[in-house]
Amino acid sequence: NAGVTQTPKFQVLKTGQSMTLQCAQDMNHNSMYWYRQDPGMGLRLIYYSASEGTTDKGEVPNGYNVSRLNKREFSLRLESAAPSQTSVYFCASSEYGYEQYFGPGTRLTVT
Amino acid sequence: QKEVEQDPGPLSVPEGAIVSLNCTYSNSAFQYFMWYRQYSRKGPELLMYTYSSGNKEDGRFTAQVDKSSKYISLFIRDSQPSDSATYLCAMGGSDSNYQLIWGAGTKLIIKP
Repeated sequence: NAGVTQTPKFQVLKTGQSMTLQCAQDMNHNSMYWYRQDPGMGLRLIYYSASEGTTDKGEVPNGYNVSRLNKREFSLRLESAAPSQTSVYFCASSEYGYEQYFGPGTRLTVT
Repeated sequence: QKEVEQDPGPLSVPEGAIVSLNCTYSNSAFQYFMWYRQYSRKGPELLMYTYSSGNKEDGRFTAQVDKSSKYISLFIRDSQPSDSATYLCAMGGSDSNYQLIWGAGTKLIIKP
C-alpha cells in the first residue's frame, strides 16, 4: 500500500500562474482533506471532501478550488498564484473518524 | 486567542529523560484529542489519541486529558534521539465531517 501520494513534491510558480496539486489514496477512505502548513501556524484546513461527490470549505479556502475526481483522488487548484500561497501543502484521508493519514507534502514557492 | 495553544519550543532534553508535551484548548465541545508526530520535511503521522477524558498508554508514550482544565499532555518515557521531531496536538468535536483543530506544534530535540 502506498497510502497517500502527492504530486509534485516541489513547485516554483510566478505570481499569476496556475497549477493543480494532485492527491491519491489507496486505503478506500471516504474523507479527504487539503491543508497548508506555515511556520508557527500549524495546519490549516483549506477544503475537505466528506465523501465522493461532496466538497466543503475549510478555514482558508480563498484562492483555491478543489475537485473530488473519484473516491481515490482529490485535487487542489490555484487559479492565480500569489506570494501569500507560498507554503507546504498536505493532503490527508480518513475513514469514519479523526484518524487522518497524510501524504508527504508539496513545497510550493510563489515568486 | 487561538482555540488550541501549543508552545512551539524547541524543547531540548538529554537522551533517557521523560518528556512532557502539552496543549491547552478553549472549546469544551472537543471530544477527540490526537497527537501527531512530524519528522522534518515529512507529513504528520498519527501517534495516538484519546476520546473524552483519561489516560492512554502505548509503549513509551502516554496521552493524558484533563477536560476540567482544558489541558492535554503527551509523555515520552526513556526518550531516544529518534524521538526528535515536531509534535502536533489536534482536537475534534462530534461533527460528522471530522474536522480537526490543530496546535502549532512543539519541536522536540533529544540530545544523545
